[in-house]
Amino acid sequence: EVKLLESGGGLVQPGGSMRLSCAASGFTFTDFYMYWIRQPAGKAPEWLGFIRNKANGYTTEYNPSVKGRFTISRDNTQNMLYLQMNTLRAEDTATYYCARSGIDYWGQGVMVTVSS
Amino acid sequence: DVVMTQTPVSLSVAIGQPASISCKSSQSLVGTSGKTYLNWLLQRPGQSPKRLIYLVSKLDSGIPDRFSGSGSETDFTLKISRVEADDLGVYYCLQGTHFPYTFGAGTKLELK
Repeated sequence: EVKLLESGGGLVQPGGSMRLSCAASGFTFTDFYMYWIRQPAGKAPEWLGFIRNKANGYTTEYNPSVKGRFTISRDNTQNMLYLQMNTLRAEDTATYYCARSGIDYWGQGVMVTVSS
Repeated sequence: DVVMTQTPVSLSVAIGQPASISCKSSQSLVGTSGKTYLNWLLQRPGQSPKRLIYLVSKLDSGIPDRFSGSGSETDFTLKISRVEADDLGVYYCLQGTHFPYTFGAGTKLELK
């Protein structure tokens, strides 16, 4: 069974940093691109970016809205996906989801609140 | 960015009746591979979004055939032949052809 479990959310001050994690299981992790998507309360989701699979060199693509502030990485030995978020702003407040390529499986999401 | 325009914003449907949601993109979603990366997702209250349909019309495993997707280029439709109570929630279209991938604003399906 495919499972994705995010962790690491919480309250952070504007200008601060936070790293989210996503533990993957139930599939061959290195075969898949992995995505980060966020959703502010009551709004549509926003695609943040992805990291490609082994066959495509684990390269990354980002939404310009977060490029330069957010970094996606993966630890293929631990089946872990990460989202490093820097210089956080109030508008980054949202539920953050990891998803498998094709967005066929999503995690349950983790809330990030940026506020002083 | 590709703008995905969904209509209607909300839809009130009686159980057993059909429903239809439109999604129009600001540019063609046909990729260089010739494939059209248009997905439909449903987000039930309090849950993560769940993919229902990919590549315009392919149903995900376990999705009942009451759901169907159609369309091409810039104009796409999700149809539910007979709405059931479990179908309630917010439907989103998502294009995965052009970076950055973009979602529609959503259509809330409610019971009449």
